[in-house]
Amino acid sequence: DAEITQSPRHKITETGRQVTLACHQTWNHNNMFWYRQDLGHGLRLIHYSYGVQDTNKGEVSDGYSVSRSNTEDLPLTLESAASSQTSVYFCASSDSLVKEQFFGPGTRLTVL
Amino acid sequence: AQSVTQLGSHVSVSEGALVLLRCNYSSSVPPYLFWYVQYPNQGLQLLLKYTTGATLVKGINGFEAEFKKSETSFHLTKPSAHMSDAAEYFCAVRNSGYSTLTFGKGTMLLVSP
Repeated sequence: DAEITQSPRHKITETGRQVTLACHQTWNHNNMFWYRQDLGHGLRLIHYSYGVQDTNKGEVSDGYSVSRSNTEDLPLTLESAASSQTSVYFCASSDSLVKEQFFGPGTRLTVL
Repeated sequence: AQSVTQLGSHVSVSEGALVLLRCNYSSSVPPYLFWYVQYPNQGLQLLLKYTTGATLVKGINGFEAEFKKSETSFHLTKPSAHMSDAAEYFCAVRNSGYSTLTFGKGTMLLVSP
């Protein structure tokens, strides 16, 4: 069955370190998204991609970057982790015809 | 830009009672609307969606929602709550011209025996 996976599921890091969260989907979807979920804020869009070599900033992109070198993967990099980036991160994918997004299980990131 | 408002961060019901979770949206074009459910420590799962056509949409687990253009609403209902319905529910609207979604802040549904 097609799926979307995220790794690691839990990560603890220190302030100032670079961190990369992986997202891999086997739906063959063109569109991929990264969100962060925080209490009282719901889900907020960080970055998204409509295809290989395409990346776009979302609502809360400062301090984050993504790259899309193939259809299946959209890694999210925190260039210099900050305590404010402690959150749960979700990856999602969709195609234009289906319209709804399919979500991964999430990565809980703690920045100390 | 689109926006979504979910009235009530927490809703409590008794098992067997009607579930009503409210969602209002703003959109400059005919919207695509979604309800997702999130169980503890899991990702979001699609409950139902409205794109075009029938305004009453049926989803999984006995949930349904009605798109009311005049009220800019897309409220989620279930006739009889079950303990297993306890979860957080998110309403979302697709942003005009894009494949991105704007989510509401979520409503936690608590079901008591």
